[in-house]
Amino acid sequence: IVLTQSPGTLSLSPGERATLSCRASESINSNYVAWYQHKSGQTPRLLIYDASSRATGIPDRFSGSGSGTDFTLTISGLGPEDSAVYFCQQYGNSPPWTFGQGTKVEIK
Amino acid sequence: QITLKESGPTLVKPTQTLTLTCTFSGFSLNTRGEGVAWIRRPPGKALEWLALIYWDGDERYSPFLRTRLTITKDTSKNVVVLRMTRMDPVDTATYYCAHRLYSGFWSGWSDAFDIWGQGTMVTVSS
Repeated sequence: IVLTQSPGTLSLSPGERATLSCRASESINSNYVAWYQHKSGQTPRLLIYDASSRATGIPDRFSGSGSGTDFTLTISGLGPEDSAVYFCQQYGNSPPWTFGQGTKVEIK
Repeated sequence: QITLKESGPTLVKPTQTLTLTCTFSGFSLNTRGEGVAWIRRPPGKALEWLALIYWDGDERYSPFLRTRLTITKDTSKNVVVLRMTRMDPVDTATYYCAHRLYSGFWSGWSDAFDIWGQGTMVTVSS
């Protein structure tokens, strides 16, 4: 399954809302999609799993939605700490698991 | 508390074999449902899933790298080892090991990854 993320880069001001898209080449079983935040020099951080469940310790500014082939990560109330690359991952069909190519979020 | 840490060479020559070790604590790979994956990220590029080993010894691999990869576990030492043969400069990346997610009684286990190691940068160059 190929995951296509859009846009490639998102440049927003503090306090704004970011909407990141992840589109799959075929329907993903049970909506098994995760979202990760990866900051430069740090380890990837799981934000969302099963399309809409927040991982432990993740603030409710981060929310996931979607089903089938279209999934969205929304980040509300953007702050400087949200500058990162965000990846979606599918794990719903048989391995291999795949990641999208990433969306870079920049805070102006 | 679950932790994972990768170790291995920082520089390998083309055609050589890379061996990376993931040493973990806070869980046992003897426990039903547990699993550890290897994932890499080349500079400026996307994350790429490489391999995963489950508690029962089941091994899964990226089909693009299947002939070059071997993942093994030693439950007595709490380590998972990844071997990658015929290294090439395009394999230059930060390599991570990661723990399989357990999200509770109702959702159970899944192949999202909740805890990652700090990563180890591997450069392939002569």
